[in-house]
Amino acid sequence: KAGVTQTPRYLIKTRGQQVTLSCSPISGHRSVSWYQQTPGQGLQFLFEYFSETQRNKGNFPGRFSGRQFSNSRSEMNVSTLELGDSALYLCASSLGDYSYEQYFGPGTRLTVT
Amino acid sequence: KQEVTQIPAALSVPEGENLVLNCSFTDSAIYNLQWFRQDPGKGLTSLLLIQSSQREQTSGRLNASLDKSSGRSTLYIAASQPGDSATYLCAVQGAQKLVFGQGTRLTINP
Repeated sequence: KAGVTQTPRYLIKTRGQQVTLSCSPISGHRSVSWYQQTPGQGLQFLFEYFSETQRNKGNFPGRFSGRQFSNSRSEMNVSTLELGDSALYLCASSLGDYSYEQYFGPGTRLTVT
Repeated sequence: KQEVTQIPAALSVPEGENLVLNCSFTDSAIYNLQWFRQDPGKGLTSLLLIQSSQREQTSGRLNASLDKSSGRSTLYIAASQPGDSATYLCAVQGAQKLVFGQGTRLTINP
């Protein structure tokens, strides 16, 4: 069974631009969560989608948004990029119930210059 | 608000030693606890998942325990190898999200 895939793996953007990251979950998984990892803040929860609906949201500004499609693939969008948005963005998928194991993708490394 | 703490932040040991990594959390209302491994610049690899009703889980040379009432978990690594060098993260699953510790950076010296 294929694991969680994320595209692109690396991205360089300029301040003020916007970016879209993609995550394809493991087949059959209906929940996709997004996390931001930085050296200073560690891993922080962005949001979670389940069956095309945002089920939970972390404490990030409205510039960070996401969506989930009917095939459970998810996209995350960041508008008006700031230098502080430079980070490793990780997505995780699970079957959906909170007791299930979370499986993480390889991440997208975003650098904002 | 759930807080997860991992001690020590870094650990360096010679190959072959047995070692213990510690994780503590403040809110015992959790669904489960996961231990992950992260190599530099890479994603997270799940090592062990312990459900809230369980006391421990084992996989190969790894053994993780959970004491929910005291808010503690340990990851025991037996007969450490240089390939075990990585950052180890514990995370607790609450009603909304995984909350992570800051990790323990482990170095195994040949």
